[in-house]
Amino acid sequence: SYELTQPPSVSVSPGQTARITCSGDALPKQYAYWYQQKPGQAPVLVIYKDSERPSGIPERFSGSSSGTTVTLTISGVQAEDEADYYCQSADSSGTGVFGGGTKLTVL
Amino acid sequence: QVQLVQSGAEVKKPGASVKVSCKASGYTFTSYAMHWVRQAPGQRLEWMGWINAGNGNTKYSQKFQGRVTITRDTSASTAYMELSSLRSEDTAVYYCARGRWVVRGVTTYYFDYWGQGTLVTVSS
Repeated sequence: SYELTQPPSVSVSPGQTARITCSGDALPKQYAYWYQQKPGQAPVLVIYKDSERPSGIPERFSGSSSGTTVTLTISGVQAEDEADYYCQSADSSGTGVFGGGTKLTVL
Repeated sequence: QVQLVQSGAEVKKPGASVKVSCKASGYTFTSYAMHWVRQAPGQRLEWMGWINAGNGNTKYSQKFQGRVTITRDTSASTAYMELSSLRSEDTAVYYCARGRWVVRGVTTYYFDYWGQGTLVTVSS
């Protein structure tokens, strides 16, 4: 079955830039989406269609795509950005697939 | 504002069934699909299936085919997910999520609003 691969953890200091990657063979053909999940809370969509930002999401969140890897970039990380981040895309049949999640730690 | 409010936590014995509800407000219920996604402890999010709230059509993940049933009550703007033949591995938080369709070669989806989650514990 199709899988998306994320690093288990990323750590940055406040004010620095965090980059979280997601790799998958079908990513050149399918959009990627990113969700933020804080402990005990539901996921929140932060990026859709690779690089679009929903209303209400801070401008410091951005997304990009290059070949089989998509990247979520958080510029000027704040303490409140500490969370798990999941990428999501689709397999060849259109079925939604999630990455394993990346825990962002703000040092 | 869009809100999805789910029913409360459940404790079930192995072999039983559970039915979780998801009440929608703040948008036209029948204009969107409702999906169900689960998250077992320490595991990734896992898509289970969707229902077209307008016409009632459904599609389920092969993993859950035969055990999951998603229904809706348009008069109550509520979607339901029933999972049968429960086993300990089904212990998880179950989320409803409003789906947005995207066509890029194939038709796929993403989730723009999520319910607060319902913990289902399966234990003897």
